[in-house]
Amino acid sequence: ILNVEQSPQSLHVQEGDSTNFTCSFPSSNFYALHWYRWETAKSPEALFVMTLNGDEKKKGRISATLNTKEGYSYLYIKGSQPEDSATYLCAPHSGGSNYKLTFGKGTLLTVNP
Amino acid sequence: EAGVAQSPRYKIIEKRQSVAFWCNPISGHATLYWYQQILGQGPKLLIQFQNNGVVDDSQLPKDRFSAERLKGVDSTLKIQPAKLEDSAVYLCASSPSGQPQETQYFGPGTRLLVL
Repeated sequence: ILNVEQSPQSLHVQEGDSTNFTCSFPSSNFYALHWYRWETAKSPEALFVMTLNGDEKKKGRISATLNTKEGYSYLYIKGSQPEDSATYLCAPHSGGSNYKLTFGKGTLLTVNP
Repeated sequence: EAGVAQSPRYKIIEKRQSVAFWCNPISGHATLYWYQQILGQGPKLLIQFQNNGVVDDSQLPKDRFSAERLKGVDSTLKIQPAKLEDSAVYLCASSPSGQPQETQYFGPGTRLLVL
């Protein structure tokens, strides 16, 4: 089973703060990395799919980077808003016997007004 | 475009009872996934269908869990008999063809509590 680590486990920030989370994964047999945002009582929402080393993607105030050689990805949120409060999940998609998405435990972000 | 539909949204049962969940994926999506998310953990893939065939069910507890996608569209996931440790959110997702770089689109999930 793939070992996917996300840190921190939870985070409280004030409205307007910028923040970032880390996702670590095995670098071997890498195909793609997915980031999802999951708000309570809603469907997990896809943020990014990243495939190439050095990839940087941006969606509004949220951006992500990918390092496949060392096996990590960063998610950044600039100027956090209360509506950004959610659990942020990363999931690498690797080959070999684990040819499936393997989700980390997520980072729970709470943005206080 | 309609999203992934799931029902029921919530279910409370007693241990040893049976329960079934239903999923309707996005129209035209060949690949359908069932995930189990236990509190404090990330979603875990239980079973993946490609049309009406099973691609991966390596993490499905087959002594009590079963799933089918008879016509390659809707799917049902059944637990019989349920145990306390089955309390979780059961998520259904779909994607066009199951490629690694494809986004998986999730439904809202069914929250199961086993007492």
